[in-house]
Amino acid sequence: ETGVTQTPRHLVMGMTNKKSLKCEQHLGHNAMYWYKQSAKKPLELMFVYNFKEQTENNSVPSRFSPECPNSSHLFLHLHTLQPEDSALYLCASSSRDREYTGELFFGEGSRLTVL
Amino acid sequence: GQNIDQPTEMTATEGAIVQINCTYQTSGFNGLFWYQQHAGEAPTFLSYNVLDGLEEKGRFSSFLSRSKGYSYLLLKELQMKDSASYLCARLDSNYQLIWGAGTKLIIKP
Repeated sequence: ETGVTQTPRHLVMGMTNKKSLKCEQHLGHNAMYWYKQSAKKPLELMFVYNFKEQTENNSVPSRFSPECPNSSHLFLHLHTLQPEDSALYLCASSSRDREYTGELFFGEGSRLTVL
Repeated sequence: GQNIDQPTEMTATEGAIVQINCTYQTSGFNGLFWYQQHAGEAPTFLSYNVLDGLEEKGRFSSFLSRSKGYSYLLLKELQMKDSASYLCARLDSNYQLIWGAGTKLIIKP
C-alpha cells in the first residue's frame, strides 16, 4: 500500500470508446503525475500537476485528456485511442517545489488494452 | 542525449551479490534515483544519491560518481523476493526525472 490508489486496475476498450482512469492520493502531496509504461521502454512522463495546475504536458496526443479537480485526485480521460496506446498507465504523487522533486509514490497502475 | 543506460536483464544466485550499473548524461544533473518494481506492482523508491560515494541501506547500497556519469545499485545476500525490475532515473536541470528502461533481475535458487 503506497497511499496512491488507481482504478480500474484493468481496462479493455475499443477505439471508439470513451473511458477514464482515476487516481487518488492520501499522502498530502502537492504534485501528481501520469506516466505511460510500455514493455522494455523507459517510463514516459505524460502530465504533471502541481497544486492542481498543469505544469507539464510532454507532447501527449489530445486523445489523452487529464483533469485535476484538487490536489488529491487526478483523472486521465481517454477517447478514440489507438492500439499502440495499450500500456500500463501509472499515477504518482510527490512533494515538489521549484528546487526539489521528492521521491515519487506510485499507484499500481491501470493496464489498458485497446482493441 | 538524455539516455539512461542500464542492462536489460541480469541473473544471479540466491545468497550472492549483484551489481546493477547505470550510466547517464552528466550535464544538468540534480540527483540519481533507484526504484524497484515487482511484476504487476507499483515502482517503489529505493535510494537517492546527489553526492559522490556509497549510500548503504541494509542489504542494498547505491553508489554515485558524478564526474563519470555512473551509478550502481548493489544488492547483497540476495533473496528470491529480490527478483524484480530495477529502474534508474536521473533528475535533470528542470527537476524532471529521466528514466532508464529498467533492469530485470532474475534470482535463481
